[in-house]
Amino acid sequence: DAGVIQSPRHEVTEMGQEVTLRCKPISGHNSLFWYRQTMMRGLELLIYFNNNVPIDDSGMPEDRFSAKMPNASFSTLKIQPSEPRDSAVYFCASSNTGGGGQPQHFGDGTRLSIL
Amino acid sequence: DAKTTQPPSMDCAEGRAANLPCNHSTISGNEYVYWYRQIHSQGPQYIIHGLKNNETNEMASLIITEDRKSSTLILPHATLRDTAVYYCIVRAIRSNDYKLSFGAGTTVTVRA
Repeated sequence: DAGVIQSPRHEVTEMGQEVTLRCKPISGHNSLFWYRQTMMRGLELLIYFNNNVPIDDSGMPEDRFSAKMPNASFSTLKIQPSEPRDSAVYFCASSNTGGGGQPQHFGDGTRLSIL
Repeated sequence: DAKTTQPPSMDCAEGRAANLPCNHSTISGNEYVYWYRQIHSQGPQYIIHGLKNNETNEMASLIITEDRKSSTLILPHATLRDTAVYYCIVRAIRSNDYKLSFGAGTTVTVRA
């Protein structure tokens, strides 16, 4: 029973480069979440999709960040251009519904380092 | 505005039960108590959740006081692999309430 799958697990790139993080949610889940974790700010919700539609992107830090969910089994989080302050661990999570009490299940994250 | 209060850290002995407390004195009637943990270099892992009745699954038990103002997560036989940061989170069950607010949690260290 596969959990949430994220790729790559680690990404090191230079400032100014485009970064694309990928997520495959648990099959059958209709809600997907992108989080960012840093020592200073902890875990922050960046964006929430329900049935492939972005519902809440208020946590996306700025226009350099964008997220898409072209179908129920795939989502991307893109940073262009990347900056050193974007260095963090990015997690994807999915659940059966956004609200309604169902737990969110997390992937193991992408550790991003921008030099 | 913190909805839950947890001790910053605790130690427990391998093989013994670990009892993790959480205060949520302002919890509303439609809010569940959720527990997650995060093992180093992994994503948060869902453990258990409950509304007002005690709950048990293969990982842990959740004991919620009758007034719902506090709860205890019980790991019945702690192992070294249970060393992690444990988060107690309250969250409503409304369809439009999806945010999980992770606080600082309790860093649990299981010692051999």
